Amino acid sequence: NAGVMQNPRHLVRRRGQEARLRCSPVKGHSHVYWYRQLPEEGLKFMVYLQKENIIDESGMPKERFSAEFPKEGPSILRIQQVVRGDSAAYFCASSPLLAGESTDTQYFGPGTRLTVL
Amino acid sequence: GEDVEQSLFLSVREGDSSVINCTYTDSSSTYLYWYKQEPGAGLQLLTYIFSNMDMKQDQRLTVLLNKKDKHLSLRIADTQTGDSAIYFCAEEWDDKIIFGKGTRLHILP
Repeated sequence: NAGVMQNPRHLVRRRGQEARLRCSPVKGHSHVYWYRQLPEEGLKFMVYLQKENIIDESGMPKERFSAEFPKEGPSILRIQQVVRGDSAAYFCASSPLLAGESTDTQYFGPGTRLTVL
Repeated sequence: GEDVEQSLFLSVREGDSSVINCTYTDSSSTYLYWYKQEPGAGLQLLTYIFSNMDMKQDQRLTVLLNKKDKHLSLRIADTQTGDSAIYFCAEEWDDKIIFGKGTRLHILP
């Protein structure tokens, strides 16, 4: 059984370019969460999505960041016009149920490490 | 906002017990978690405790919860070199998980 898959594992972008991060949830999971881990920091929640819906984007920066989870295919976290401060590890997690309805609600992927030059 | 605090570093001799401490702010959290992150890897859920429990034991891991003081601890018995990692304390709040900054556990020979 494949767990949460993220690609690429490492991504290098120059300032001003776009970064596109992909997350394939555990098969059958319909809930996806994105977290960001800045250097020497814990993880910070960014966004929670169900298929074709954004449920909670309270942790997303107001500009340049967007996320989607289409009916078919992986969830995408898109960062436009990247800046050095966007350099971080971005983790995706998936869940089969609403948070709070199961003990091990979120399964984490290996992360994508974004480096902005 | 919600906050989870934990010390950043802990050094322990191989074979000794490791105790990692954490404090949290939201008394309404249903579940509290410990995650392990090895170098270059994602997060692995180690264990969790439901908020109406005081203690949970799982092989070498013991979780203690003091709800009055909002204090959570993880004890690893007979610490091994493979336990070297960053350990994140986390609380479930609303529809998200709030993480501490992580405690880096270093094993001394």
